[in-house]
Amino acid sequence: RKEVEQDPGPFNVPEGATVAFNCTYSNSASQSFFWYRQDCRKEPKLLMSVYSSGNEDGRFTAQLNRASQYISLLIRDSKLSDSATYLCAVNTGNQFYFGTGTSLTVIP
Amino acid sequence: GAGVSQSPSNKVTEKGKDVELRCDPISGHTALYWYRQSLGQGLEFLIYFQGNSAPDKSGLPSDRFSAERTGGSVSTLTIQRTQQEDSAVYLCASSFSSYEQYFGPGTRLTVT
Repeated sequence: RKEVEQDPGPFNVPEGATVAFNCTYSNSASQSFFWYRQDCRKEPKLLMSVYSSGNEDGRFTAQLNRASQYISLLIRDSKLSDSATYLCAVNTGNQFYFGTGTSLTVIP
Repeated sequence: GAGVSQSPSNKVTEKGKDVELRCDPISGHTALYWYRQSLGQGLEFLIYFQGNSAPDKSGLPSDRFSAERTGGSVSTLTIQRTQQEDSAVYLCASSFSSYEQYFGPGTRLTVT
């Protein structure tokens, strides 16, 4: 079983839409959680950490559900510039496990 | 401040040659990771260094791959007798313990 599972998409949404991505993880001992954004032919860049109480950064909201072992990312009022691949990452015992990424295209 | 740097940014080599890829992590970061990513694919973990502990080499795909980290800072990933299937982007990342990782821009390796 993979440490982290993520729906690869693709998600094609119109500008202004709200879109949500989920990621499940298999190890209940996992300690910390992150979302990364990767643009085509670029390295992953940290988007936000995911805290137990949930956290928000502008149009982006991250949630953690330890009981069901998943994390989510919600993007409100999608912009064309949000088009990218979104990777979830889970840290377990200082080892990081990444999802395969969800592709998002925001359409004018 | 300075981020993770990697060199070279691009490397084209002939099949059978050895290559060395370099990573300079963020100063003060204790952990350093190597990944590779083939076109359109996810991140494949290769090796992980944490402080002075023995590295976790569980992701290295064959004994042609090796890595070292000198002085707890700079790391070199070496691929011996390169094969065409080694062509990929090799990404280095560093972190302070279990906190968020920061990636370098990667080295794009092409084996002809």
